[in-house]
Amino acid sequence: DAKTTQPPSMDCAEGRAANLPCNHSTISGNEYVYWYRQIHSQGPQYIIHGLKNNETNEMASLIITEDRKSSTLILPHATLRDTAVYYCIVRVKYGNKLVFGAGTILRVKS
Amino acid sequence: EAQVTQNPRYLITVTGKKLTVTCSQNMNHEYMSWYRQDPGLGLRQIYYSMNVEVTDKGDVPEGYKVSRKEKRNFPLILESPSPNQTSLYFCASRASSGRAKNEQFFGPGTRLTVL
Repeated sequence: DAKTTQPPSMDCAEGRAANLPCNHSTISGNEYVYWYRQIHSQGPQYIIHGLKNNETNEMASLIITEDRKSSTLILPHATLRDTAVYYCIVRVKYGNKLVFGAGTILRVKS
Repeated sequence: EAQVTQNPRYLITVTGKKLTVTCSQNMNHEYMSWYRQDPGLGLRQIYYSMNVEVTDKGDVPEGYKVSRKEKRNFPLILESPSPNQTSLYFCASRASSGRAKNEQFFGPGTRLTVL
């Protein structure tokens, strides 16, 4: 699975959009981008995934660049409860494991 | 409610005393796995199971055993725990078909301390 690079931490004001970047320059054609988050030692929670088109669900939007070397997770209106570690993961779809990196600590502040 | 449950949530034990951490899911998922999380090392996969009676090693299987006799249960067994197995453990499951096959559901975690 391709390696990802994320900033170690970010701050966001409550109610504003949180934009979390991820670089995955070695991604191959059959690999998907997945995002999970982990709130304070709870079990990781799935957010969204995509291949090359932008995706949106009730939690977030995922923007993938045309060359697929990077992506951005967007939380449109961040709340205090969105404070968590966000993991960007690249893997073959339905692969046998998720390879978690260090992730980005997002702190949402009032 | 769809969920993955783990027991116990917290356990303090001593070196060499066999223990089992149970994991159960109520979503009829075929795929289940165990991860451990350690500071600075992130989450690493220990074992996984594609279906009943089908298990395979992940990245860090040494010192662990698993079994998958029923679809809903995937216990993690530490035959002779050692202090380096002190960690936060997560069980996860996902479907192998349908819309939910992209999403892994994680349990709440088991914090294990081996003295």
